[in-house]
Amino acid sequence: SQQGEEDPQALSIQEGENATMNCSYKTSINNLQWYRQNSGRGLVHLILIRSNEREKHSGRLRVTLDTSKKSSSLLITASRAADTASYFCATRSGGYQKVTFGTGTKLQVIP
Amino acid sequence: GAVVSQHPSWVICKSGTSVKIECRSLDFQATTMFWYRQFPKQSLMLMATSNEGSKATYEQGVEKDKFLINHASLTLSTLTVTSAHPEDSSFYICSARDRGGWNTEAFFGQGTRLTVV
Repeated sequence: SQQGEEDPQALSIQEGENATMNCSYKTSINNLQWYRQNSGRGLVHLILIRSNEREKHSGRLRVTLDTSKKSSSLLITASRAADTASYFCATRSGGYQKVTFGTGTKLQVIP
Repeated sequence: GAVVSQHPSWVICKSGTSVKIECRSLDFQATTMFWYRQFPKQSLMLMATSNEGSKATYEQGVEKDKFLINHASLTLSTLTVTSAHPEDSSFYICSARDRGGWNTEAFFGQGTRLTVV
């Protein structure tokens, strides 16, 4: 079953604008990761945030985590056409550290 | 970062035949590997958790007799789709957990696109 729900399901913005995607999950986690997937391709790991962290930055990416609300957000600043892809949050939990994916947000950046 | 190699990257097979997909951790030992399936325009769905030396644990709704998983060593897990049918056509991707890594990034293979004709 899906651990996370993401919104929006789809997002279309102009190049240069910021894109924000949200992820909610249901159970306690060890960490939460964000991935990018270009159409028909494999996953690209973007950023990992642990359950005891609240915010992380990596280049144009900013991730927040609110464990009390069981939610996370991914902000991409100054978006580029090359950022067009599907973005998934994934939570790691349990003894086997199973990684479960959210429903994904399809981002389109218009040049 | 750690590397997980998945092979083949794509395969086309005839309906009724079986297909084996390999997942290897190249520079670390993986006691646990995970197999996912992704249908077009959908998210990745966990199929099963593969543990070295023991039986795999399948998610609800996944047929264990159809999707055979073998995790014979700390660096190799295989998924065999038996008697494949067109509805099994999908993108299959594996993930491996470094036995020495707790609360770290999950490492994914490149994925295998299976087309059953």
